Amino acid sequence: AQSVAQPEDQVNVAEGNPLTVKCTYSVSGNPYLFWYVQYPNRGLQFLLKYITGDNLVKGSYGFEAEFNKSQTSFHLKKPSALVSDSALYFCAVRDKGGSYIPTFGRGTSLIVHP
Amino acid sequence: KAGVTQTPRYLIKTRGQQVTLSCSPISGHRSVSWYQQTPGQGLQFLFEYFSETQRNKGNFPGRFSGRQFSNSRSEMNVSTLELGDSALYLCASQTSGGNSYNEQFFGPGTRLTVL
Repeated sequence: AQSVAQPEDQVNVAEGNPLTVKCTYSVSGNPYLFWYVQYPNRGLQFLLKYITGDNLVKGSYGFEAEFNKSQTSFHLKKPSALVSDSALYFCAVRDKGGSYIPTFGRGTSLIVHP
Repeated sequence: KAGVTQTPRYLIKTRGQQVTLSCSPISGHRSVSWYQQTPGQGLQFLFEYFSETQRNKGNFPGRFSGRQFSNSRSEMNVSTLELGDSALYLCASQTSGGNSYNEQFFGPGTRLTVL
């Protein structure tokens, strides 16, 4: 079975400060990992993914994520937050050798204060 | 390329009625998945279609069904609506069915309210 945990329901950060949204996962094999963002009344938008290779993955809008196999984590980061980054963020995982369907975390609401 | 489109965007129904939601994937995408999103349960997988065949199914009652047409467009149907079916229903498409590292592209969703 595969699972994803986003331990924080909400993250608050001041504009200009670095942000981190946490994600840990569990799969029986090797993972494919994804981050999506959802703005109010919209569908999810793909931000970035880890398949293999470099543990630091760069994505859209200045976001990046670091894959840590030993800690089974895939935290989303951005060096300098913008008010417009305020949204709901979802982490998702697929097991390379397992289910084709991704498992999503429950989401983390990011609030960036001016 | 046009994105994933879903119709209608909003629906209000009463208990006991049935509803059909439609999803048009990105051109060339053959896999379509459906999700239910609620504040309490988060994103829950309903089913996935690939080349007109249901390939995966989530843990939902038989009142929830779907199908995919030869042009990859998909519909989902919910019969005998219950209050708990009120949710945002999201459709997602992706390219090849065999590559699980491909990201999904989501539509804007259909907001269903059951009164």
